[in-house]
Amino acid sequence: GNSVTQMEGPVTLSEEAFLTINCTYTATGYPSLFWYVQYPGEGLQLLLKATKADDKGSNKGFEATYRKETTSFHLEKGSVQVSDSAVYFCALNYGGSQGNLIFGKGTKLSVKP
Amino acid sequence: EADIYQTPRYLVIGTGKKITLECSQTMGHDKMYWYQQDPGMELHLIHYSYGVNSTEKGDLSSESTVSRIRTEHFPLTLESARPSHTSQYLCASSQTFSRGALGVYYGYTFGSGTRLTVV
Repeated sequence: GNSVTQMEGPVTLSEEAFLTINCTYTATGYPSLFWYVQYPGEGLQLLLKATKADDKGSNKGFEATYRKETTSFHLEKGSVQVSDSAVYFCALNYGGSQGNLIFGKGTKLSVKP
Repeated sequence: EADIYQTPRYLVIGTGKKITLECSQTMGHDKMYWYQQDPGMELHLIHYSYGVNSTEKGDLSSESTVSRIRTEHFPLTLESARPSHTSQYLCASSQTFSRGALGVYYGYTFGSGTRLTVV
């Protein structure tokens, strides 16, 4: 079946460090891929998305590239800030009869000043 | 501004009480969802609806029930709350977007959540 695997946390970084959160997926066909962010006490917000192979999603300094050959969608940011502390979820979605979002288990990021 | 609203944000209630968690959206989306988030952060789909009078159970079995009488409203009810129901509950709705020859995908919007504590 379809699934998403992301690196386990928590991840603790110093301000201005480079961030990578790994995400791989198992799916047939061509899903769309997403990263969501959940700040403390809040719901989920869409951070970025890519809807086909080789697309790069980007937002707020975060980037992720849809790699079909490695079934990956790793999240990166060149210089994290304290305000980036949150839980990050990788997810996939097909639409249609299989349209429900499939989430990874989430990765908690803490950025220290 | 189009959005999705959940009330209450926080609820502390005694065992055995009946509760309803409210979820409303102003975007006209047909598809709506309820997720339960455990303390380890993992999200579990417990109910979804693809339109008025349509409700389905999700991947995680839940003692809660839902109804969808109006497009904009998707309340979740627990007839008799128990401490095991203590959790964060997130409501979402989705809109269909085209990817051309690759088909479609659903773009989700989430509410801020209800944190339920049953004592």
